[in-house]
Amino acid sequence: QQQVKQSPQSLIVQKGGIPIINCAYENTAFDYFPWYQQFPGKGPALLIAIRPDVSEKKEGRFTISFNKSAKQFSLHIMDSQPGDSATYFCAASMASGTYKYIFGTGTRLKVLA
Amino acid sequence: DAEITQSPRHKITETGRQVTLACHQTWNHNNMFWYRQDLGHGLRLIHYSYGVHDTNKGEVSDGYSVSRSNTEDLPLTLESAASSQTSVYFCASSESAPGRSYNEQFFGPGTRLTVL
Repeated sequence: QQQVKQSPQSLIVQKGGIPIINCAYENTAFDYFPWYQQFPGKGPALLIAIRPDVSEKKEGRFTISFNKSAKQFSLHIMDSQPGDSATYFCAASMASGTYKYIFGTGTRLKVLA
Repeated sequence: DAEITQSPRHKITETGRQVTLACHQTWNHNNMFWYRQDLGHGLRLIHYSYGVHDTNKGEVSDGYSVSRSNTEDLPLTLESAASSQTSVYFCASSESAPGRSYNEQFFGPGTRLTVL
């Protein structure tokens, strides 16, 4: 119940394409869902996050879609660029005030020029 | 600027040796976390701390220990290094905010550890 399942493991798209990364969870106590972006040799950094009281959040070219009833959320990258090539992690945080994140297994994205 | 640093950035050691990885943050955050990153497993929580003298086990804590003697540092110790502990280790920190269960975690640059 504590797992966050992420797919696909890897993804290759052409420049301008719209890669979509999906995550699913079981525990309804999760109430915060961030996405982290990691470039090679660097630590992960927060990209965008969503609470379950909204179904969509956009920040620039990045959009999170959230389906509370299905317990699924996804990251869409509009007009993807080679500079978006990175590993993306979804995560979930519980409402108990523990400040801990449960991370997905990551998606390695490559955007071809 | 506030930051979080890790040292060393790369370490090669032998099986059975004790190894300590350092993590230092200047944000004055109460919460600190240690993760290991392995292909196919993502980021897995090893240990975490909510303040000075507080430490807690994560999902993969066997063979690791931490201690928190001040706000800024949370060193991670491998008591007797094993080849299965070859990995990239990340330290992270976040602030505590009463009434809010989530806060952005800020990650360090990582330490690549190889156990031969």
